[in-house]
Amino acid sequence: DQQVKQNSPSLSVQEGRISILNCDYTNSMFDYFLWYKKYPAEGPTFLISISSIKDKNEDGRFTVFLNKSAKHLSLHIVPSQPGDSAVYFCAASAIGNTPLVFGKGTRLSVIA
Amino acid sequence: EPEVTQTPSHQVTQMGQEVILRCVPISNHLYFYWYRQILGQKVEFLVSFYNNEISEKSEIFDDQFSVERPDGSNFTLKIRSTKLEDSAMYFCALGGYNEQFFGPGTRLTVL
Repeated sequence: DQQVKQNSPSLSVQEGRISILNCDYTNSMFDYFLWYKKYPAEGPTFLISISSIKDKNEDGRFTVFLNKSAKHLSLHIVPSQPGDSAVYFCAASAIGNTPLVFGKGTRLSVIA
Repeated sequence: EPEVTQTPSHQVTQMGQEVILRCVPISNHLYFYWYRQILGQKVEFLVSFYNNEISEKSEIFDDQFSVERPDGSNFTLKIRSTKLEDSAMYFCALGGYNEQFFGPGTRLTVL
């Protein structure tokens, strides 16, 4: 069962434009959402997270938006840079140090 | 950001052999996790370890798997009798439900 879904396996964006990566979830018990960036043969790198009590969190070029009623979140990268090219994973967890549940990832390619 | 190292970076083994993957957290944390990623698939939770005991484990974490913290710092994942389908990247992570930091991973190849 896919509790966290990333329906776009890939996304291609021009350098300098906005990248929008989407994620949907089904489990209402999730209350924390995280985005990770991953390069091949490396571990996931934590990017940004958001608590379910917020609808937006911003850190530099990265902004995460949460629509709890729609069970949807998105990661915005502005402006996109070639170094952002990687696989981006959405993950979710519930209170109580439960493990992260990951989506399948979206491969972002930023074209110069 | 807490640092985690993992050894070896790549392990090749024959089916049926035992492997031990090691995780060395640089900073002190109570919660540790093992995840794996089969090539091209999502990252999957295996087991969490809190205060020197297993806190939670997934369906994947069957009797072939075990975790230990043998010397109070290193954190090991043992697969007793490896199968072809155990070939994957194995990641150690530390932190909590709102922030987990991953190690660089061990690529396990079972032949």
